[in-house]
Amino acid sequence: NAGVTQTPKFQVLKTGQSMTLQCAQDMNHEYMSWYRQDPGMGLRLIHYSVGAGITDQGEVPNGYNVSRSTTEDFPLRLLSAAPSQTSVYFCASSRAPEYGYTFGSGTRLTVV
Amino acid sequence: DQQVKQNSPSLSVQEGRISILNCDYTNSMFDYFLWYKKYPAEGPTFLISISSIKDKNEDGRFTVLNKSAKHLSLHIVPSQPGDSAVYFCAASAVNPGNNRKLIWGLGTSLAVNP
Repeated sequence: NAGVTQTPKFQVLKTGQSMTLQCAQDMNHEYMSWYRQDPGMGLRLIHYSVGAGITDQGEVPNGYNVSRSTTEDFPLRLLSAAPSQTSVYFCASSRAPEYGYTFGSGTRLTVV
Repeated sequence: DQQVKQNSPSLSVQEGRISILNCDYTNSMFDYFLWYKKYPAEGPTFLISISSIKDKNEDGRFTVLNKSAKHLSLHIVPSQPGDSAVYFCAASAVNPGNNRKLIWGLGTSLAVNP
């Protein structure tokens, strides 16, 4: 049972490049979320989804797009990378938030 | 404005003793509270949760107490060196769109010394 799988684990981008961070879960969870973690800032919610076809913005959505075409996948797109997007990104899924999220192992992104 | 506050950035305890991590919140609409543990270079791991209508939940060495207004605490007894990690408090409420999302504190770094 893989849980939540994030790829890639590490990525370096040049300013202005675009890329997609992949997230897949095999637990049939309806809720999925993307967070970024920066030093001294805790975990900040970027976008979340409550089911296939339904997404909404979190606290820091600017510069990111998401889609949820299937229950399993929730990719995060960086449209035009900026150094301020250098961070560790976590994807998480849950059957319901009050029961706890299962997190992936993270993607460490550096934008130069 | 932090709705979920963990006012102690770090805590150091001796192995075998009790660790108490605190969490304060400002939004009275929060109805579930969750604790997560995070090791470096790993994603957070769910530990334990509590409903706002309960005052205690236990799971092995971990107990969460919700007995004071807008305050809860995580107790680890006895503390073990493997408990050394960052602990996050998170709170959940139904938002105007009838969805739920978690609001996170900034974390407390616990060091358990042998």
